[in-house]
Amino acid sequence: KAGVTQTPRYLIKTRGQQVTLSCSPISGHRSVSWYQQTPGQGLQFLFEYFSETQRNKGNFPGRFSGRQFSNSRSEMNVSTLELGDSALYLCASSLWGHWWGNTIYFGEGSWLTVV
Amino acid sequence: AQTVTQSQPEMSVQEAETVTLSCTYDTSESNYYLFWYKQPPSRQMILVIRQEAYKQQNATENRFSVNFQKAAKSFSLKISDSQLGDTAMYFCAFMGETSGSRLTFGEGTQLTVNP
Repeated sequence: KAGVTQTPRYLIKTRGQQVTLSCSPISGHRSVSWYQQTPGQGLQFLFEYFSETQRNKGNFPGRFSGRQFSNSRSEMNVSTLELGDSALYLCASSLWGHWWGNTIYFGEGSWLTVV
Repeated sequence: AQTVTQSQPEMSVQEAETVTLSCTYDTSESNYYLFWYKQPPSRQMILVIRQEAYKQQNATENRFSVNFQKAAKSFSLKISDSQLGDTAMYFCAFMGETSGSRLTFGEGTQLTVNP
C-alpha cells in the first residue's frame, strides 16, 4: 500500500510569489492534515481537512490556505511568500474520520526554500 | 494549551545497548493520546509507538516500549538492542480530545547509534 505522497519534494520560490503543494493520502484515508517544520519553531500544525471541509486550524496567517478534493487529495497554498516560510511542509493522513484519537501517518514532506 | 518537553537534545548509544529518551507533557485534559515518532535523515516522520492515556499498561512494539507515568505526566521511550537504523530524531507528541487530531510535538531528541 502506498504511503502519503507529497509533490513536489523540493522547490525554490522568490519572496512575494505563491506556492501550491500537493498531497495524496494513503488509500482509504479520509483525513489530511498539514504541518510546518522549521529549525526555530519546530513542528507546528497548520490545518486538517476531512470530507472536503477544514475542521481544525492552527495559528497561521491567512496567507496559508488549503483544500481537499472529493478523492481526499489535498493541496496547500501559501501566498505572498516570505523568507520565514522556508520550511519542510509535512502532509499526514489518517484512516478514521473521528474528531480525535486517529493515528497520523506522515509523508516525506516538501522542502520549500524562499529566496 | 498543552506543552510537550523533551529535555535531551542529543543522545548517543552503542549498538546493541539500551537507551531511554525522556518526554514530559503538561495538560489539563483527561482524555488524550501520546505518540513517539522518529524522523531519519530522509525526514519522513515514522510512527514508533502510541499510548492511550486511559490504559495503564505500557505500550510495546518489538524493541520499543514506553514508560507511561500519568500522574507525573511523563512518557519515556526505551529502545532495546539498539541498531544503526535507529539513528534519527525522535519526537514525542500529544493529542488531546479538545484539540481534535492536532498533534503537539516536543523539540525532539537526536539519537545516534554508534557501531
